[in-house]
Amino acid sequence: QKEVEQDPGPLSVPEGAIVSLNCTYSNSAFQYFMWYRQYSRKGPELLMYTYSSGNKEDGRFTAQVDKSSKYISLFIRDSQPSDSATYLCALVLAGANNLFFGTGTRLTVIP
Amino acid sequence: GAVVSQHPSRVICKSGTSVKIECRSLDFQATTMFWYRQFPKKSLMLMATSNEGSKATYEQGVEKDKFLINHASLTLSTLTVTSAHPEDSSFYICSAMGTKAYEQYFGPGTRLTVT
Repeated sequence: QKEVEQDPGPLSVPEGAIVSLNCTYSNSAFQYFMWYRQYSRKGPELLMYTYSSGNKEDGRFTAQVDKSSKYISLFIRDSQPSDSATYLCALVLAGANNLFFGTGTRLTVIP
Repeated sequence: GAVVSQHPSRVICKSGTSVKIECRSLDFQATTMFWYRQFPKKSLMLMATSNEGSKATYEQGVEKDKFLINHASLTLSTLTVTSAHPEDSSFYICSAMGTKAYEQYFGPGTRLTVT
């Protein structure tokens, strides 16, 4: 079983839709939870990070963590064609530096 | 935000030659840098962790004699692919760690093609 599971998609939505991206994990020792966005042939870009259960909002993006269920989500409101990219969740264990990545979900927002 | 650069952005080399890729943190000092490899439509695979002034720590299955990593300063790490073969063709991405474990800033990547 992988440390971090993420549905690879692909996911296509119309412009303006709400997008829900999800990851599950098996190790309760994960302490930090990140979402990265990666455009084609580019390096990942950090979108959001959180370390506690609950919601964290930043503009159109909301990161949600449920430690009891070992489930994290990224919501994108009013999705735009420029949001079309691969979204990767990444988790960090307490006291460690390495990122454990999900496989990434490829999102396409159709104008 | 923190900026990490990589050079070159793409390189084509002949089988048997060596290629050096540079990773620089432009506006912050990074004691730890990471090197990843990414295959098409796949996630990032951690190759090694590079700490300034010490030997890199390689992940299982990564040949340290083939992928030489040097982290000579707080702003520069290099990855040298020695005696490259076509199967080494890939997208190589570095990241630099900020002050906190979750602060990893990624470079734009280097596409290596070995002919």
